[in-house]
Amino acid sequence: AQTVTQSQPEMSVQEAETVTLSCTYDTSESDYYLFWYKQPPSRQMILVIRQEAYKQQNATENRFSVNFQKAAKSFSLKISDSQLGDAAMYFCAYRSVSNFGNEKLTFGTGTRLTIIP
Amino acid sequence: NAGVMQNPRHLVRRRGQEARLRCSPMKGHSHVYWYRQLPEEGLKFMVYLQKENIIDESGMPKERFSAEFPKEGPSILRIQQVVRGDSAAYFCASSPPLAGTYEQYFGPGTRLTVT
Repeated sequence: AQTVTQSQPEMSVQEAETVTLSCTYDTSESDYYLFWYKQPPSRQMILVIRQEAYKQQNATENRFSVNFQKAAKSFSLKISDSQLGDAAMYFCAYRSVSNFGNEKLTFGTGTRLTIIP
Repeated sequence: NAGVMQNPRHLVRRRGQEARLRCSPMKGHSHVYWYRQLPEEGLKFMVYLQKENIIDESGMPKERFSAEFPKEGPSILRIQQVVRGDSAAYFCASSPPLAGTYEQYFGPGTRLTVT
């Protein structure tokens, strides 16, 4: 079974600065997807960014980028120019692609990000 | 295109009562997933359904919990004889029936409180 570990329960960053959230995972599969989801106080789960394991290039979405290290099974999220609206819980998630029907997401325990004005 | 809808948003039940949580997937989506989030924890997978079929229920508790996704109407997660430990946020997600699709769209969740 796959596991996802987020070792930072809480992080804080000054507004306009850069912060990196860590995520490691354990799997024996060679192909899979990785995601970062954001959960603001409204509790709505919002997809921030995704990465296909077969792609070597790191995904980027505006101020959000990832550092995907497949051999190390590491998938960190970098938020540049942090804004007050970035304050939320951030969850790392894993999804298999090798088995038909095995499409569940496996989530880490989350990192609570605080933005300091 | 409306997003994934869940109702009710908040549900209060006394111990021993039944809870029914509803999920209407996005238009055109035929895959539905249910996740549970206990306080201060991440989301845990419960069940994956397609229309009229349960594909993966490996995360469902063996007793008191059931789920369905009928040909017509919303998906229902039913919890019988609720206990305090069932208090949690229950999220539904949906995805389209396209091969290779990997994104799940989440609803706003139903917060269940058992008193």
